[in-house]
Amino acid sequence: DIQMTQSPSSMSVSLGDTVTITCRASQDVGIYVNWFQQKPGKSPRRMIYRATNLADGVPSRFSGSRSGSDYSLTISSLESEDVADYHCLQYDEYPPTFGAGTKLELK
Amino acid sequence: QVQLKESGPGLVQPSQTLSLTCTVSGFSLTSYNVHWVRQPPGKGLEWMGRMRYNGDTSYNSALKSRLSISRDTSKNQVFLKMNSLQTDDTGTYYCTRAGRWTIPFFDYWGQGVMVTVSS
Repeated sequence: DIQMTQSPSSMSVSLGDTVTITCRASQDVGIYVNWFQQKPGKSPRRMIYRATNLADGVPSRFSGSRSGSDYSLTISSLESEDVADYHCLQYDEYPPTFGAGTKLELK
Repeated sequence: QVQLKESGPGLVQPSQTLSLTCTVSGFSLTSYNVHWVRQPPGKGLEWMGRMRYNGDTSYNSALKSRLSISRDTSKNQVFLKMNSLQTDDTGTYYCTRAGRWTIPFFDYWGQGVMVTVSS
């Protein structure tokens, strides 16, 4: 199975920060990476699809990028509503595999 | 609009079988794949398996011996059955959808159903 190594596992952040979360794929997954936001007690919400595309209704302060096998989610000018858990997912090859998640916490 | 909704028992005894239903609306099970994903408390997401638009299924190899996914297209429902439940099967179970050819992939999710395995 393809491993998605996500870092950091947690991050202490302040409002207005620029935050970057990274997933490294254990083998080539092309553009087939999604990013999800999950708030406590809620379902995951797709934020980025195919590595760099903003999902419908997602604020433009969110962006996705790729450099080789590294995939990043960046949140510019963090707002309070962005404090949540974030998960990456590769779906290039079955089984689809998720990163372990990143928890954003306010300082 | 697109909706998925999981239903099933909140409590299952160890060694028993879990039965969950995902009822969908706003799209056809013959046009989209439906996947099951679970999440232990405080942990990450794990893909369990899928029902394809054509009725084929795929399973996580770690669960394959215990897991079965089926559907009733007339009722817009996908079913998950997993036997020999243990305490580490406790968690929230979600259904989500994907297009036939990965576009879109996991764009809509159900609200999840919390399952506790305990005697």
